[in-house]
Amino acid sequence: SQQGEEDPQALSIQEGENATMNCSYKTSINNLQWYRQNSGRGLVHLILIRSNEREKHSGRLRVTLDTSKKSSSLLITASRAADTASYFCATDADYKLSFGAGTTVTVRA
Amino acid sequence: EPEVTQTPSHQVTQMGQEVILHCVPISNHLYFYWYRQILGQKVEFLVSFYNNEISEKSEIFDDQFSVERPDGSNFTLKIRSTKLEDSAMYFCASRSPTGLADTQYFGPGTRLTVL
Repeated sequence: SQQGEEDPQALSIQEGENATMNCSYKTSINNLQWYRQNSGRGLVHLILIRSNEREKHSGRLRVTLDTSKKSSSLLITASRAADTASYFCATDADYKLSFGAGTTVTVRA
Repeated sequence: EPEVTQTPSHQVTQMGQEVILHCVPISNHLYFYWYRQILGQKVEFLVSFYNNEISEKSEIFDDQFSVERPDGSNFTLKIRSTKLEDSAMYFCASRSPTGLADTQYFGPGTRLTVL
């Protein structure tokens, strides 16, 4: 399976701190995508990084990809209470996304 | 900003009944998907659809499931005879053939409860 696996499973931080979560996967990919899900709600696309890219930024988000280690990280800088959500990585090898179990991030005010 | 919409937001049905979940993908998108998420579990791929036919389906997508694009805007998932284990959140997604062609945009989901 190419499924991504996130680490840690849960993360609790103070508002203003940075949050880092990691994703590992098993097979070759075309790209890796990160999504956010607020409790019981839909999946919001955050950022996509292609297999030939090493780092990408979008606002307060920074994603890295190391294809040699088959791993990716998502960094949220200067976290806010509104960042409280579950974050999922999804690997894409053939336009069929394989999701990990997610990291639940709680940002304390 | 264009978005994927899904109706209903919550569907309650009795075991053995047929349900149809509705999705309206983003208008210029050509690739369509259904995923599901059982409570507390991972999001799982069900099926992909392009050019009026199924491109790929998972093991979950058995004969009880079917998809259809009945007109130029809707994309439906039908479950013929629901089982208790079909209770889940069902997400529709769509993808453009151009521009950000790799990004799948998800709808808000339909929560299906089978009693």
